[in-house]
Amino acid sequence: AQSVTQLGSHVSVSEGALVLLRCNYSSSVPPYLFWYVQYPNQGLQLLLKYTTGATLVKGINGFEAEFKKSETSFHLTKPSAHMSDAAEYFCAVSPRGYQKVTFGTGTKLQVIP
Amino acid sequence: NAGVTQTPKFQVLKTGQSMTLQCAQDMNHNSMYWYRQDPGMGLRLIYYSASEGTTDKGEVPNGYNVSRLNKREFSLRLESAAPSQTSVYFCASSEPVTSVPEETQYFGPGTRLLVL
Repeated sequence: AQSVTQLGSHVSVSEGALVLLRCNYSSSVPPYLFWYVQYPNQGLQLLLKYTTGATLVKGINGFEAEFKKSETSFHLTKPSAHMSDAAEYFCAVSPRGYQKVTFGTGTKLQVIP
Repeated sequence: NAGVTQTPKFQVLKTGQSMTLQCAQDMNHNSMYWYRQDPGMGLRLIYYSASEGTTDKGEVPNGYNVSRLNKREFSLRLESAAPSQTSVYFCASSEPVTSVPEETQYFGPGTRLLVL
């Protein structure tokens, strides 16, 4: 069984401030972990993914996430928020590939000018 | 290269009506997926197709049927719509490359369905 918990359904940051979106997972096998972004009225776009190897994963738009097995976490960060980062972000886990992906409930990021 | 396209963008149905949601991809991907997105619940997999001619149930298949018409197209059918099927439906596709970790999934823009 696998599950994803995203802490905070809404997060607000000031423009230029650090973005930290939290994700904890549970998985009975070594997981694949994903972060997706969804802009209003659009489909999801893959930001980054962890499969194997280096635990710090860099993605698009300056985002990165670190896989911490001991903490079962995969938090998403960006050093400096931009207005264009306002969107909903989803963390997801799978045992392998995309056929058994479980999504979190999402975190809406608001960026305040 | 349009990626993943979905039609219609928006649909209103009455309870008991049927309809088919269409999805097509032009990336020559083998795998295609149907998800539904409901407020506060994230995305849930309805059905997927690992390759042309094969389909498998996902997490929430009840009330839906799918057809993998060819490699490009994967349709989702609601035979008798219910208000509980009011949702946003997303189609996606992916292609396993030589290394599974390199596989990337692409989503369509979604179909908003309202069942009255």
